Amino acid sequence: EAQVTQNPRYLITVTGKKLTVTCSQNMNHEYMSWYRQDPGLGLRQIYYSMNVEVTDKGDVPEGYKVSRKEKRNFPLILESPSPNQTSLYFCASSLGAGFEQYFGPGTRLTVT
Amino acid sequence: RKEVEQDPGPFNVPEGATVAFNCTYSNSASQSFFWYRQDCRKEPKLLMSVYSSGNEDGRFTAQLNRASQYISLLIRDSKLSDSATYLCVVNNRGGYQKVTFGIGTKLQVIP
Repeated sequence: EAQVTQNPRYLITVTGKKLTVTCSQNMNHEYMSWYRQDPGLGLRQIYYSMNVEVTDKGDVPEGYKVSRKEKRNFPLILESPSPNQTSLYFCASSLGAGFEQYFGPGTRLTVT
Repeated sequence: RKEVEQDPGPFNVPEGATVAFNCTYSNSASQSFFWYRQDCRKEPKLLMSVYSSGNEDGRFTAQLNRASQYISLLIRDSKLSDSATYLCVVNNRGGYQKVTFGIGTKLQVIP
């Protein structure tokens, strides 16, 4: 089954404790992306990757890191989480930026 | 001005009604346009792509107006199951590989 998986689905953590949210896709897509969704602000792109070892900033990259060492995986790293990073995070993949995006189920992160 | 603007609603319409949403975008170099549907904090899913010639899928019609820089979504004969948030998406703004979502328009179809 073609899918995008994210883990964990729910995470509660404390300020400053490094965390990683994993994302994996099995569709051999080149383009992968991370978004955060906040009430009143909609979905905002954090980082995207056009292929292995090629990543670039989206609209809200501050406080986040990503890596793309393998085509199927695109982890999101928060080196020092802060309460303003409390949000619903989605990973997505597609053939390219101009194509349909397939989303993971989301990760609800709370930073206290 | 925001890159992509939508009226957040909510739009409350009776079953069987026709409802239309617009979405404006600011960058004339934008290349790809989509409508996604999102149910209550679940992941967005593609509803339909928006082509220059317009496209139709059953009760849904999407159109693109490049001159006025907006896309539209028309839903005919609304069903209770159409209740959701509809997100417009603009890709490849100005040659960059970014993707921009509108804030979404909430539709509630009432019996």
